[in-house]
Amino acid sequence: AQSVTQLDSHVSVSEGTPVLLRCNYSSSYSPSLFWYVQHPNKGLQLLLKYTSAATLVKGINGFEAEFKKSETSFHLTKPSAHMSDAAEYFCVVSELITYKYIFGTGTRLKVLA
Amino acid sequence: NAGVTQTPKFQVLKTGQSMTLQCAQDMNHEYMSWYRQDPGMGLRLIHYSVGAGITDQGEVPNGYNVSRSTTEDFPLRLLSAAPSQTSVYFCASSYTQSTDTQYFGPGTRLTVL
Repeated sequence: AQSVTQLDSHVSVSEGTPVLLRCNYSSSYSPSLFWYVQHPNKGLQLLLKYTSAATLVKGINGFEAEFKKSETSFHLTKPSAHMSDAAEYFCVVSELITYKYIFGTGTRLKVLA
Repeated sequence: NAGVTQTPKFQVLKTGQSMTLQCAQDMNHEYMSWYRQDPGMGLRLIHYSVGAGITDQGEVPNGYNVSRSTTEDFPLRLLSAAPSQTSVYFCASSYTQSTDTQYFGPGTRLTVL
């Protein structure tokens, strides 16, 4: 069965410092992995996705994530946080065979001035 | 394209009332799904559909019904609302299956008294 664990429910960083949001997954088959962002009272926007091509995936707004099969991880990073990055971030795993999109519980990112 | 639209944006129900949350997409997507979002729990899959006439249960289907008579529409029915169904509901769609990028609607905030 597929599952996803976001290791931190809250992360605080200072503006201009690096961001690391951690995600581990479990999958019986070759998964697709996604990161979505949700700003307060808004819908979800795709940041990036991994679908078995390059293991380092670049997304929008300077975010990137690296797929590490040996560690079953898909951590999201950004070199320098901006105030506008404050939001909730969701890691998602999906398997073709199950037709289901499974969300992590989310990480709320706070950016301090 | 309007993308994925949901109506209503807000709804208040009394326990035992029924209602239908509407979802429509104009992108000719085969895959559609419904999620509920509760604090600290991420988004949980309620029901999904891989094409017109085909639906299946997700993680939390109890108390909800769906149907898919057309490619465009995927309504979610609450037959007898309960306070535990107070949540924010998101509809999403993708081209063929869950491993594609999903596009989310703006959400419906439902309160059951």
